[in-house]
Amino acid sequence: GAGVSQSPSNKVTEKGKDVELRCDPISGHTALYWYRQSLGQGLEFLIYFQGNSAPDKSGLPSDRFSAERTGGSVSTLTIQRTQQEDSAVYLCASSLGVPGVGTNEKLFFGSGTQLSVL
Amino acid sequence: GQNIDQPTEMTATEGAIVQINCTYQTSGFNGLFWYQQHAGEAPTFLSYNVLDGLEEKGRFSSFLSRSKGYSYLLLKELQMKDSASYLCAGPPPGSYIPTFGRGTSLIVHP
Repeated sequence: GAGVSQSPSNKVTEKGKDVELRCDPISGHTALYWYRQSLGQGLEFLIYFQGNSAPDKSGLPSDRFSAERTGGSVSTLTIQRTQQEDSAVYLCASSLGVPGVGTNEKLFFGSGTQLSVL
Repeated sequence: GQNIDQPTEMTATEGAIVQINCTYQTSGFNGLFWYQQHAGEAPTFLSYNVLDGLEEKGRFSSFLSRSKGYSYLLLKELQMKDSASYLCAGPPPGSYIPTFGRGTSLIVHP
């Protein structure tokens, strides 16, 4: 597609329910990132996928969070047993190649999913 | 992670020049990015610096001093549409995944 696509754009759920957020990166981009942004806060890194390598899950805040990337393309972020503190905008980004020293691997962001946990 | 610090909010007048500063942890430096984020929208790439000096792109310029762990984004001839959050980002030591600062909210008034 023309850009990074995320769905749904808005999700309201009840505390304790599971949610799935979807990200469709730019075609041909090998790297995919998930961040979340709480009101007035910076972007918090969650997880990074690069090609067929094992993902970097170092940013996931708890074991209720998981993500997968099927076929090196679409990614799904799953939050189990949602809590009110999970409310945030979840942003997905992709980049053409592998980030590295001296390389301008700029990130292209989707419009995000606004998650509200009641 | 990377310790990125930038002011929370700045205001400026239309037509003026504004400089948004960013400081970061220097060890293991892997390049510094600036992104622009309008309210309710996705961040978009503005600039990338890995070498010292000023990089100019139209009305926007970005400066880097690696020895001082310091960068700034310079916006000239400010327009109302420049009102947005400006995010400084850089990978922490040992990683290439960008860590973002909290962003500087720039308000441009007539």
